[in-house]
Amino acid sequence: DSGVTQTPKHLITATGQRVTLRCSPRSGDLSVYWYQQSLDQGLQFLIQYYNGEERAKGNILERFSAQQFPDLHSELNLSSLELGDSALYFCASSVLAGANNEQFFGPGTRLTVL
Amino acid sequence: AQSVAQPEDQVNVAEGNPLTVKCTYSVSGNPYLFWYVQYPNRGLQFLLKYITGDNLVKGSYGFEAEFNKSQTSFHLKKPSALVSDSALYFCASRRDKLIFGTGTRLQVFP
Repeated sequence: DSGVTQTPKHLITATGQRVTLRCSPRSGDLSVYWYQQSLDQGLQFLIQYYNGEERAKGNILERFSAQQFPDLHSELNLSSLELGDSALYFCASSVLAGANNEQFFGPGTRLTVL
Repeated sequence: AQSVAQPEDQVNVAEGNPLTVKCTYSVSGNPYLFWYVQYPNRGLQFLLKYITGDNLVKGSYGFEAEFNKSQTSFHLKKPSALVSDSALYFCASRRDKLIFGTGTRLQVFP
């Protein structure tokens, strides 16, 4: 158990809908990251927050947005969902934001868009 | 541009034999390199990292990795494989963001 929690574990929804994925980082970690894992794209970095502020952005679609709250939990919002958004979404956390910090991953949320 | 390559989709090894999972990187400047393992229906688990210093890095579960700057490689190794090592292994590098390789499935046969 990494100490990173994600809810829900599974999510099934329809095209065009909007969903919110939630992540609680390890106790004491200030940085949160979101990743998407799919068969065709592999593991892709989406976005990073550090102590409430956006720190780095990766291949995140405009339909997706995220935020980190004062209690350091984070939410990833996915809207206007398409079939291709079906994937495993991971949250990770690290103590600090620097590149030398290892990240600890949550168990993921499996999103299925029908 | 930053990239990581894992040339083998799958590696098969008998239990008790040494194992190597290959990784090469392309990163400008000094690379920060990582290995993660993913078991079925689980998140990624950190194994080890190279930041600077000794080229041989020791990590969790008896794994180690050798950083080779001239060959731009960071191969994962273990002297004696266990069936329980069977999983998906990811090499990654980071400058501003963590970039993963495509993953190598390790299958250890009894």
